[in-house]
Amino acid sequence: NAGVTQTPKFQVLKTGQSMTLQCAQDMNHEYMSWYRQDPGMGLRLIHYSVGAGITDQGEVPNGYNVSRSTTEDFPLRLLSAAPSQTSVYFCASSRTRLGAQYFGPGTRLLVL
Amino acid sequence: KNEVEQSPQNLTAQEGEFITINCSYSVGISALHWLQQHPGGGIVSLFMLSSGKKKHGRLIATINIQEKHSSLHITASHPRDSAVYICAVNTDKLIFGTGTRLQVFP
Repeated sequence: NAGVTQTPKFQVLKTGQSMTLQCAQDMNHEYMSWYRQDPGMGLRLIHYSVGAGITDQGEVPNGYNVSRSTTEDFPLRLLSAAPSQTSVYFCASSRTRLGAQYFGPGTRLLVL
Repeated sequence: KNEVEQSPQNLTAQEGEFITINCSYSVGISALHWLQQHPGGGIVSLFMLSSGKKKHGRLIATINIQEKHSSLHITASHPRDSAVYICAVNTDKLIFGTGTRLQVFP
């Protein structure tokens, strides 16, 4: 099993550009989440999903969109990148919403 | 004040030392997680506990619900234990601490 995979590993964007961070899991987990990690702060929840077709906002959702068309995939879209979105992004899946989290390897995003 | 506080923020140790990392929280929780973030960035879940103690190899996690405190112990530390250790608590969501950076020198 690959677990949770994320692409790309690293991306540089210019302000105003859009992009999609890909996330996929092969553990048949219903729950998937996107977090961002910034220096000096704990992981913060952006959006999460409790199953295919169901998504909800987390703590810091502004500037991001998600969709969940299948159990496996949970892409995160940046609509118009801003320097404040420079961060490391982690996708995670879990069997239950607050259960043990399985994290992807992360995507390091730099917005210039 | 952060709802989840970890101490110390940074910790250095010699190989073989016994290590303790602390996590205190100020909210009611249903469970607490300990995670390990490797220098390459990957995050791995170590423990999830709601009472008492759990042990896996050289790692031991304890929690005292009444005192709102958890500890992660590493016995016979090794350089490969060098990582950031993150505490997270279950409320109606997961709240993460900022992590403790551990460096173990040979």
